[in-house]
Amino acid sequence: GENVEQHPSTLSVQEGDSAVIKCTYSDSASNYFPWYKQELGKGPQLIIDIRSNVGEKKDQRIAVTLNKTAKHFSLHITETQPEDSAVYFCAGGEGNKLVFGAGTILRVKS
Amino acid sequence: DAGVIQSPRHEVTEMGQEVTLRCKPISGHDYLFWYRQTMMRGLELLIYFNNNVPIDDSGMPEDRFSAKMPNASFSTLKIQPSEPRDSAVYFCASSLGTGNAFFGQGTRLTVV
Repeated sequence: GENVEQHPSTLSVQEGDSAVIKCTYSDSASNYFPWYKQELGKGPQLIIDIRSNVGEKKDQRIAVTLNKTAKHFSLHITETQPEDSAVYFCAGGEGNKLVFGAGTILRVKS
Repeated sequence: DAGVIQSPRHEVTEMGQEVTLRCKPISGHDYLFWYRQTMMRGLELLIYFNNNVPIDDSGMPEDRFSAKMPNASFSTLKIQPSEPRDSAVYFCASSLGTGNAFFGQGTRLTVV
């Protein structure tokens, strides 16, 4: 089955700097890679996703890149703000069956 | 729409008791998922339904766990009998096709 690894487990950045979180996956059949943000006491919320026929996708300050050959994908947050502080999860899978990474705690220091 | 609604938000029960978690998906969504989140194992998919039919229950940890979806607007996850190691946050999520999965607020279960 699919295995998704996520790094780093914690990340501290200064407000205004960029943050990058990386994930690798094992199953070449996986074709959907969403990223979720989870705030304390809440459920994960989708922030951006990418499908295997696309190499990069951007939405304002957030971008995701996918390298199918190397089986890795990354989340890039530019101009970080204190409200970006949360736990971020990557996930990968085929269709609706997703395997989640272990999560990255992002702290944005003001 | 109010989003995915889960109840209760918190549940404390004694070992051996039956626990039932409830979920109301977003209206019109045809997929429903049950996840479990723990510090040790992260977010795990337990089971998912398509049009009220269970598609994949390979993530259900053991026979003590069961899930039903009697109609498009309601699902339950039952644990009988409950054990301390079942303590976790249980999330329900729904989606339309293979699109975005919207998560509920979760049910924090503590088995003592």
